[in-house]
Amino acid sequence: GENVEQHPSTLSVQEGDSAVIKCTYSDSASNYFPWYKQELGKGPQLIIDIRSNVGEKKDQRIAVTLNKTAKHFSLHITETQPEDSAVYFCAAKDNNNDMRFGAGTRLTVKP
Amino acid sequence: DTAVSQTPKYLVTQMGNDKSIKCEQNLGHDTMYWYKQDSKKFLKIMFSYNNKELIINETVPNRFSPKSPDKAHLNLHINSLELGDSAVYFCASSLPKGNSPLHFGNGTRLTVT
Repeated sequence: GENVEQHPSTLSVQEGDSAVIKCTYSDSASNYFPWYKQELGKGPQLIIDIRSNVGEKKDQRIAVTLNKTAKHFSLHITETQPEDSAVYFCAAKDNNNDMRFGAGTRLTVKP
Repeated sequence: DTAVSQTPKYLVTQMGNDKSIKCEQNLGHDTMYWYKQDSKKFLKIMFSYNNKELIINETVPNRFSPKSPDKAHLNLHINSLELGDSAVYFCASSLPKGNSPLHFGNGTRLTVT
């Protein structure tokens, strides 16, 4: 089955700086890669996703890149704000609808 | 307009008891899931149901049993609760196709004493 690894486990940045979170996956059949943000006391919320036929996708301050050959994908947050502080999860989903999550990255944005 | 709702939000109970967590989604999705999140925030899939059929059953104890009365509901029953069952349980739903995101509920924090 799919195995997703995520780094770093914790990340602290100054407000206005960029944050990058990286993930690798093991199953070459995986074709859908969402990113979730989880705030305290809430469920994970989808913030951006990318499909295997796309190399990069951007939505305002958030961008995701995918390298299918190397089987890794990354989340980039620019101009970070204190409200970006949360736990972020990457995930990989294959055609069998089997979605596996990374271990999470706790992002802290210091004002 | 809640998409995926689960109840209760908090559940405190003693070892050996039997409890249930309810989940409902109004998104018209065909597939529903239960995930367990431990104290280190790791999200582990427990079950998924597609059109009332169990299609994933990870290595969870048979004390846990999902029940789906219809495709909008997937309840989780837990028998003979143990201390190690303490965690946050999330319900989620999605369309059946592979490139569809999961929509999560806000979780049920289960504490077994």
